[in-house]
Parts: sequence; structure tokens; C-alpha cells
Amino acid sequence: SQTIHQWPATLVQPVGSPLSLECTVEGTSNPNLYWYRQAAGRGLQLLFYSVGIGQISSEVPQNLSASRPQDRQFILSSKKLLLSDSGFYLCAWSRGNQETQYFGPGTRLLVL
Amino acid sequence: SQQGEEDPQALSIQEGENATMNCSYKTSINNLQWYRQNSGRGLVHLILIRSNEREKHSGRLRVTLDTSKKSSSLLITASRAADTASYFCATESGGSYIPTFGRGTSLIVHP
Repeated sequence: SQTIHQWPATLVQPVGSPLSLECTVEGTSNPNLYWYRQAAGRGLQLLFYSVGIGQISSEVPQNLSASRPQDRQFILSSKKLLLSDSGFYLCAWSRGNQETQYFGPGTRLLVL
Repeated sequence: SQQGEEDPQALSIQEGENATMNCSYKTSINNLQWYRQNSGRGLVHLILIRSNEREKHSGRLRVTLDTSKKSSSLLITASRAADTASYFCATESGGSYIPTFGRGTSLIVHP
């Protein structure tokens, strides 16, 4: 069976510090991978998605970047965090386009 | 901008009652999915309904899709306290193949 992992679960970082959130998927190969951000009481905003190694598409201009160094690894990064980067970050995978997305447990980021 | 918008934003019912949530969208879709999210957790997929389908069932869940009205509904029958969560619809349309999520309906089921 497939599983998706995200870490850390919670992170408190000062403004201006770097960020690295990791997401890994097990039990499948060549998945589509996604990073979402969810603000309190809001829906999910798609940040990045990837259909293969080294292929990253960005949905919104922002202070963040994403990388996919391996088939089942998706990393969300920032060189300098802003207060507005606080939120709940969710990683997801799917077998392909127009397929069900499976979500990780999320990382709650608080930038102070 | 959000494609799917859930209605109502919040719903409070007693255990045993049915809960109905609606999702409206603006452009033609390929499919529509419903997800559930417990507080502070990831989303769990409930049902995917494709544009050529009108109704799907899964246990106590029933999803309908009316493409002429550009709307979908999620019905939870005989609700339980454990159904308390936020419910989101997500639509995929055109050639993007990227699901767009609404803001969700917050459901509280009182025991």
C-alpha cells in the first residue's frame, strides 16, 4: 500500500530564517506530487506541482520554491521566511492527472 | 480564484440527522471530488465523481452531480459525532488537471 510522509509536524521559525519541509511517498512510482498551503478557515491554495523528477510548476508567485530531487521526494524551501508564510502546509500525491489525491498529515508552520 | 464554493460555510446538527452540503462551480469540469479534513490533519478523499456520472454512493455518503446547474451535493445519512470535520469539494476542469479546492463546510455533529 502507498503511504505519504511529511515532516516536521510543527515548526516555529523566526522571520528571515530558511525553511525546508520534506515530503516522501512510498509504495508507488512516478507519482504526481503537490504542495498546498491552507490558511486558517480557508481552502487549499496550490503552491507547486510536479509530474516528474526535476519538473516543477509554480501556481502562484511567492517567497517559496520546490524541488524534486528523487522520484518520490518533494521538498518545499525558502531562503528567508516572511510572517505571511505562516500556515498549514500539505503535501499530496496522485497516480496521474484527473486522479484522486492522497494527502500527508501536514506541517504547521509559525513564523514569528 | 476558487472554482468550487461550498455551502453552507458551517452546519450544526444532532447525531442521527442527515447532513447535506453543496458545492457550486463556474466552468465545465472533468471531475469533482469531495474530501474530509479533521481539525489540524490532512485531507482524506471521500468520493470522486466524473462529469458523465450523476450519482455515487459510498457507505453513508451519497454524492450527486448536476452539470446543468454546475453543482454537486454531499449527503451524509444518519450522522455520527465522528463525522464532525470540514468537508471540501475540489474540481478539475479544462486542460489543467489540477484540482481547485473550495473553502469548505465545517460540520459539527452533536452527540
